[in-house]
Amino acid sequence: QQPVQSPQAVILREGEDAVINCSSSKALYSVHWYRQKHGEAPVFLMILLKGGEQKGHDKISASFNEKKQQSSLYLTASQLSYSGTYFCGTAAFGNDMRFGAGTRLTVKP
Amino acid sequence: DAGVIQSPRHEVTEMGQEVTLRCKPISGHNSLFWYRQTMMRGLELLIYFNNNVPIDDSGMPEDRFSAKMPNASFSTLKIQPSEPRDSAVYFCASSLGAGETFFGQGTRLTVV
Repeated sequence: QQPVQSPQAVILREGEDAVINCSSSKALYSVHWYRQKHGEAPVFLMILLKGGEQKGHDKISASFNEKKQQSSLYLTASQLSYSGTYFCGTAAFGNDMRFGAGTRLTVKP
Repeated sequence: DAGVIQSPRHEVTEMGQEVTLRCKPISGHNSLFWYRQTMMRGLELLIYFNNNVPIDDSGMPEDRFSAKMPNASFSTLKIQPSEPRDSAVYFCASSLGAGETFFGQGTRLTVV
């Protein structure tokens, strides 16, 4: 039931780009993306609903391919503040959201 | 709004004791979730409520775990008796429908 995320970890230099993938074996109603910094709660980034949309704000965007039950998070021109663990959460029916194992992103100067 | 409020923030208890975690969701939200986070298992959905009614408790690990939501502004997660393997960070979260989910700051539980 849990989505599968890849890669497990990414190390970037400031200004580099990264893509984090999330896939599910079940038909999805929505995909949520969160970022969690060490010792803190997950913080909402964006939600994508069934319909295959793409969303973004600033240099972080995401896409949702409903047919493939996949979503990708795109981080461009990464900043030090982007460091953290990124989780995708997927829901099949509405708000039965379950999270992937997370992708640890480290941005170095 | 103050966000999702959880208490206590930290709890240390001895094996066999009862533990009660508390959560106040954001006012107006109709969905409430309890998650458990560990290094080994990541973020696990334990149970969620819609309009105070438990919808899916398939993630509750054992009968030792129970959750209640007596009204729209309060929920509890109880572990009785507690065991060392229950040590984790427990998050409560709330949302309006299937929208953005807001997390509380979590309760770090240590069972010794």
